[in-house]
Amino acid sequence: DTGVSQDPRHKITKRGQNVTFRCDPISEHNRLYWYRQTLGQGPEFLTYFQNEAQLEKSRLLSDRFSAERPKGSFSTLEIQRTEQGDSAMYLCASSYRADEQFFGPGTRLTVL
Amino acid sequence: AQTVTQSQPEMSVQEAETVTLSCTYDTSESDYYLFWYKQPPSRQMILVIRQEAYKQQNATENRFSVNFQKAAKSFSLKISDSQLGDAVMYFCAFYAGGTSYGKLTFGQGTILTVHP
Repeated sequence: DTGVSQDPRHKITKRGQNVTFRCDPISEHNRLYWYRQTLGQGPEFLTYFQNEAQLEKSRLLSDRFSAERPKGSFSTLEIQRTEQGDSAMYLCASSYRADEQFFGPGTRLTVL
Repeated sequence: AQTVTQSQPEMSVQEAETVTLSCTYDTSESDYYLFWYKQPPSRQMILVIRQEAYKQQNATENRFSVNFQKAAKSFSLKISDSQLGDAVMYFCAFYAGGTSYGKLTFGQGTILTVHP
């Protein structure tokens, strides 16, 4: 399978705990995006990497959120001190061209 | 800022019939792309069709076609010969060219039901 992969697929955590998600993009893709999708809504943009550089961050990405993409390969999204409002599906997408993004299956986060 | 509006939370169609999903958007950009994605219950977004704003010809992909009205800022999706497998969530999305880095702005989604 050469698509975008995300790990874990599901994460249940208690409020106040830290969580980290991983995204492995399609190998030749230099662009990587993170989106958040709450139930019944469309995805909302969180952040964008071009290679290892984080070039854009949404205002949705509070100080508790941090994302990295070391060496321009996989990316991680960490949420510190999780809150119940963080419960959502976190989607990763990658692309070679800006107008064609391929999405991963997402990580569903539930904060109790 | 760009906004995308899907005014139909739910739509239904009989199998083999045609259905049209509506999408409107608001932007001051002149260079942009519009997309329709579908999202099955597995939650992986899949690109259905793409339209470049500078192209007057409506995009078509097999049973899926769009009606792009640039002046009206409307971008509807027509599904012909609807099949049971088309019964998923559909999202309209917008990407402004230039320095927006490709981030997509999505509408709220339309759930399509296909009746056998």
